[in-house]
Amino acid sequence: AQTVTQSQPEMSVQEAETVTLSCTYDTSESDYYLFWYKQPPSRQMILVIRQEAYKQQNATENRFSVNFQKAAKSFSLKISDSQLGDAAMYFCAYRSYSGGSNYKLTFGKGTLLTVNP
Amino acid sequence: ETGVTQSPTHLIKTRGQQVTLRCSSQSGHNTVSWYQQALGQGPQFIFQYYREEENGRGNFPPRFSGLQFPNYSSELNVNALELDDSALYLCASSSRTKPGELFFGEGSRLTVL
Repeated sequence: AQTVTQSQPEMSVQEAETVTLSCTYDTSESDYYLFWYKQPPSRQMILVIRQEAYKQQNATENRFSVNFQKAAKSFSLKISDSQLGDAAMYFCAYRSYSGGSNYKLTFGKGTLLTVNP
Repeated sequence: ETGVTQSPTHLIKTRGQQVTLRCSSQSGHNTVSWYQQALGQGPQFIFQYYREEENGRGNFPPRFSGLQFPNYSSELNVNALELDDSALYLCASSSRTKPGELFFGEGSRLTVL
């Protein structure tokens, strides 16, 4: 079974600064997807960024980028120019590439990000 | 485009009772999955429905059951409630065109006393 580990229960960053959230995972599969989801205090979880394991290029979405190290099974999220609205719980998640319609995600325990003005 | 909606948002039950949670999927999405999020934890996969059939299940006992209707809305039923069932229950919908990209509702907060 796959596992996802987020070793930083809490992180803080100054507004406009850069922060990196860590995620490692364990799998025997070669093809899979990785995600970062954000859960603000209002509770609705939203997708931040997605990475396909077969792609060597790191995904980017505006101020959000990832550092995907497949051999090390590491998938960190970098937030540049942090904004107050970035404050939330961030979850790293894994999904098998196989399985057809099986969309099961395996989540880490999350990292609570605080943005200080 | 209508997002994922869940009801009720909060509810309190006593041990041994039964509960039904409801979810309307995002327009155009035919797959619904349910997750349990205990306080301070990441969501745990309960099960998934595709075209009214359960096609994936996590490590949850049979007293957790569900349904999906022709309009792709869904229900989660939990029988014989236990104190440990207290959690936020999240519904998520998705489509085959974007694997793994789940669209979540705001959740139903269940407290079991």
